[in-house]
Parts: sequence; C-alpha cells; structure tokens
Amino acid sequence: GAGVSQSPSNKVTEKGKDVELRCDPISGHTALYWYRQSLGQGLEFLIYFQGNSAPDKSGLPSDRFSAERTGGSVSTLTIQRTQQEDSAVYLCASSLVQGHIYEQYFGPGTRLTVT
Amino acid sequence: DQQVKQNSPSLSVQEGRISILNCDYTNSMFDYFLWYKKYPAEGPTFLISISSIKDKNEDGRFTVFLNKSAKHLSLHIVPSQPGDSAVYFCAASPPRRFGNEKLTFGTGTRLTIIP
Repeated sequence: GAGVSQSPSNKVTEKGKDVELRCDPISGHTALYWYRQSLGQGLEFLIYFQGNSAPDKSGLPSDRFSAERTGGSVSTLTIQRTQQEDSAVYLCASSLVQGHIYEQYFGPGTRLTVT
Repeated sequence: DQQVKQNSPSLSVQEGRISILNCDYTNSMFDYFLWYKKYPAEGPTFLISISSIKDKNEDGRFTVFLNKSAKHLSLHIVPSQPGDSAVYFCAASPPRRFGNEKLTFGTGTRLTIIP
C-alpha cells in the first residue's frame, strides 16, 4: 500500500520568498503531523491535525509558519518570507489513532535550503 | 529543555554482537515510548514501542527495556547486522487522555555495524 508521500523532495529558495510543502498521508489515517529536523538536531514537532479538531499549533516557531489540511487528507505547510534558519528537512507523518496505537508513519521529507 | 535525551551521538558495534542504544527522559507524564530507525534521505521508520505498564517488549532481534523509576529506556539489537546501520531515534508520548498526540524525539544515535 502507499505510504506517506511528500513533495517536493528538495527545495532551494532565496531568502524572503514563500514556500509551500505538501504532504499526502496514508489513506484513512486521521492524524497528521509536521516535524522538522535541522542539521545535527532531533525531530522538532511543528503542528498536529486530528480529525475535525482544531490543530495543535504549539510547535510552530513563528507566525511565518502556517499549515492547513484540506478535506481531512492532504496537508500543506507554508513558510512565508523564508529565513536561512528555516533550512531543514521537513517531515510529515500520519497515524491511525485508536486505542493505544501511537505509531506514526513518516514520509521521506522535503529538504529545504534557504540561500 | 530537552525532555528526551540520547547522550551518545554515535555507536560502533561488531557484526554479530549486541547493540545497546540508550535514552533518558525527564517528563514523568510520558507513558508510551517508541524507537524509530532512519536511513539517509528517508523518513524515520517505526521499529518497536513500549507502554509504561510494561518493562520489556521484544520483537525478533529487537528488545526495548523500560526503567520507569530511572526514566530510562534502552534498545537492544542482537545479533547486530550490517543493515542495522542507521540513525536511531527515541520518542515519547504523554497519555492520550491529555489530548496531545505529538511525539517528543531525542537527537538520535548513529549506529554503525562493522562487518
């Protein structure tokens, strides 16, 4: 079956430009997460969508970051006025939240480089 | 404040021997713990998990041990194989009843299996 897919796989952008990163979760998964991994760091939580509930945006580092999830499926992470410190691998994950099952399934990530 | 810590950034183990990866956490509210494995240019892959009601969970060559009083968990791989060479991330989650599903990750340990 299809896993989590992300596009683009690589994105190079100039400082100050806006970027959009896309995530297609596993079909039927109700929860969707965005993380980022900066060089030499662990995975940093950004935002979490669960069903029709309001998203948990507590991990977004600034108001330049936003995300939406349309139709309970595809999600887009938008970074406005990119800065060099935004350079990282952005990872999307989805999960089927039921019982005590917490396992999240990750996509391959989008490597963002801000020059 | 790093709530999940992997103090060894790298580990080298001879093929056939046991690999032991360690993880410490500070948040006593965490009650579910996971290990993920990551190859270069791929997203993390779920490996094994353990609930706080257990102190051991085994799956083939992989065993996770949890010491709640010490807030410590470890992943044992035996026997180690060259394909196990990857970065291993420890992750933790609070109880679902808190309504927050996000995982908190450690910074990872790079495991190299020497043939």
